Amino acid sequence: DAGVTQSPTHLIKTRGQQVTLRCSPKSGHDTVSWYQQALGQGPQFIFQYYEEEERQRGNFPDRFSGHQFPNYSSELNVNALLLGDSALYLCASSLAGSKNIQYFGAGTRLSVL
Amino acid sequence: AQSVTQLGSHVSVSEGALVLLRCNYSSSVPPYLFWYVQYPNQGLQLLLKYTTGATLVKGINGFEAEFKKSETSFHLTKPSAHMSDAAEYFCAVSEGSSASKIIFGSGTRLSIRP
Repeated sequence: DAGVTQSPTHLIKTRGQQVTLRCSPKSGHDTVSWYQQALGQGPQFIFQYYEEEERQRGNFPDRFSGHQFPNYSSELNVNALLLGDSALYLCASSLAGSKNIQYFGAGTRLSVL
Repeated sequence: AQSVTQLGSHVSVSEGALVLLRCNYSSSVPPYLFWYVQYPNQGLQLLLKYTTGATLVKGINGFEAEFKKSETSFHLTKPSAHMSDAAEYFCAVSEGSSASKIIFGSGTRLSIRP
């Protein structure tokens, strides 16, 4: 049983570019959450998707957007990249009604130059 | 609003010694509480969780934590440290519902001395 998978594992972009990160949830899970983890810090909640809709959002600008597909996989898009967007982006999946037990992928390391 | 405070950004113990990582939380609603571990260049792995019921919860790798509502604490312990326990540990809180954002602490790096 595959866990949460994220792609790509590493990415290098320049300021002003746009990036798309992808996440496949654990089998049977229907909810996907995205987190940003800057170096030396704890993860910060970006947003959560359920039934193809954004259900909750953290304190991130509109440059951060997402999407969930009918097969529950998800994308995170970031426009107009800033140096400060360099971080590890983590995807977590869970099952609605499961007491919020979230399983995390290994993350995508984004470097903005 | 919810928040988590982890006391001590770095804890060092000898192999075989007691591990104690401190966590205090703030929540206006009954919380769910979690401890996650992160090894270098990896994602987060759930160690244990408190949702409802028994306040002493046991997790993987010999770790346990006790939910103390009166002290708003959820400290993580392990009786005997092993070299493989060296990692970053995150305490986290969410609202007591099935669909809620998780708020993480800033993490505690655990080092094990031979």
